[in-house]
Amino acid sequence: NAGVTQTPKFQVLKTGQSMTLQCAQDMNHEYMSWYRQDPGMGLRLIHYSVGAGITDQGEVPNGYNVSRSTTEDFPLRLLSAAPSQTSVYFCASSYSAGTEIEAFFGQGTRLTVV
Amino acid sequence: KNQVEQSPQSLIILEGKNCTLQCNYTVSPFSNLRWYKQDTGRGPVSLTIMTFSENTKSNGRYTATLDADTKQSSLHITASQLSDSASYICVVSAGTGGYNKLIFGAGTRLAVHP
Repeated sequence: NAGVTQTPKFQVLKTGQSMTLQCAQDMNHEYMSWYRQDPGMGLRLIHYSVGAGITDQGEVPNGYNVSRSTTEDFPLRLLSAAPSQTSVYFCASSYSAGTEIEAFFGQGTRLTVV
Repeated sequence: KNQVEQSPQSLIILEGKNCTLQCNYTVSPFSNLRWYKQDTGRGPVSLTIMTFSENTKSNGRYTATLDADTKQSSLHITASQLSDSASYICVVSAGTGGYNKLIFGAGTRLAVHP
């Protein structure tokens, strides 16, 4: 089973460039989310989606856009990359039912902005 | 403000020894608490979940405890193995239903040496 698949695994961008981080899940999960992980800090929520066509902002949404046109895919777009966006990005998905929801994570995208 | 704090930040132990990782949280309303294991270069993977009514839960050599009164949890690893070298992240779910927000600790980085 593929689970949550993120591409690319590594990326280097120049300041001002734009790019899209891809995330796909094959578990038919309704919930999907994007996090960034910085040294010495817990994962922080960027954007999340509770279903196709529905997205909302998380804790650190500035500089990022998302869309959810299908249940499977949840791409994250960096509009104009800045060095402060250098981080490791994780996509996660989970079921919507119940309170004991387990988030399944992709392997991460390590992004460096120079 | 919802917060999850973990200690120690890092820990080195010898193979075969036991260790205990700590997690303190101030999250309301509390839904559940999970411990995740994150290997280097990989996404977090759930080890165990603790709900409000549970005090202790084991998963092989991993035993988690929860004291809902003091808002503390611990993860005890018995007879450590080299493969236990990883970051261990305490994640508290906040909410009463719908999309529960996940609050992440910064993690404890464990190194098991031969």
